[in-house]
Amino acid sequence: IAGITQAPTSQILAAGRRMTLRCTQDMRHNAMYWYRQDLGLGLRLIHYSNTAGTTGKGEVPDGYSVSRANTDDFPLTLASAVPSQTSVYFCASSDFPVLASGDEQFFGPGTRLTVL
Amino acid sequence: RKEVEQDPGPFNVPEGATVAFNCTYSNSASQSFFWYRQDCRKEPKLLMSVYSSGNEDGRFTAQLNRASQYISLLIRDSKLSDSATYLCAARGTRNTGKLIFGQGTTLQVKP
Repeated sequence: IAGITQAPTSQILAAGRRMTLRCTQDMRHNAMYWYRQDLGLGLRLIHYSNTAGTTGKGEVPDGYSVSRANTDDFPLTLASAVPSQTSVYFCASSDFPVLASGDEQFFGPGTRLTVL
Repeated sequence: RKEVEQDPGPFNVPEGATVAFNCTYSNSASQSFFWYRQDCRKEPKLLMSVYSSGNEDGRFTAQLNRASQYISLLIRDSKLSDSATYLCAARGTRNTGKLIFGQGTTLQVKP
């Protein structure tokens, strides 16, 4: 593994089903983030985690939950998917608190989710 | 009003042209700023970080104007390969790594 991986790459899901998007990083970054990207709306933060064992809500958290049991993994769960959750989901990580290396975020390749 | 705003474009320019994008932010406490490049159906990748007045990397120059609360990205001698969406982002405060992104500006460089 190099950087951030996400799984699945894409998924078509029936409304009402439960779905977990997986995200794993091998950079030992403290902080991780989940975004959704929709046409015309840019990247919107769903949930984040500053360090293992802690999570926080972003701009659009409703309908999503996260957990951060360890440094490397940050799964995103849709408990009961709805069509408005059709989107591209990106996971990211950063070396927060800021170290000399900088505080930019690094992104995974994304998961394309379609809820029918 | 969004916390970080960009003109979505598209900007259509000929090869060799100079093009500039602006990005405004509303949180005066924002500490650091970033320009990301995103190719179609790919993840955003960091282009430049801006912590003080500006940054330059080859044909790309980013400038920060704290008084007017905007950052700009200047691309000189545009290449066909510069065609992409450019996202600006701002980090809000010292105690968070969260970034707020603009909606992105699309650039199409034509031969």
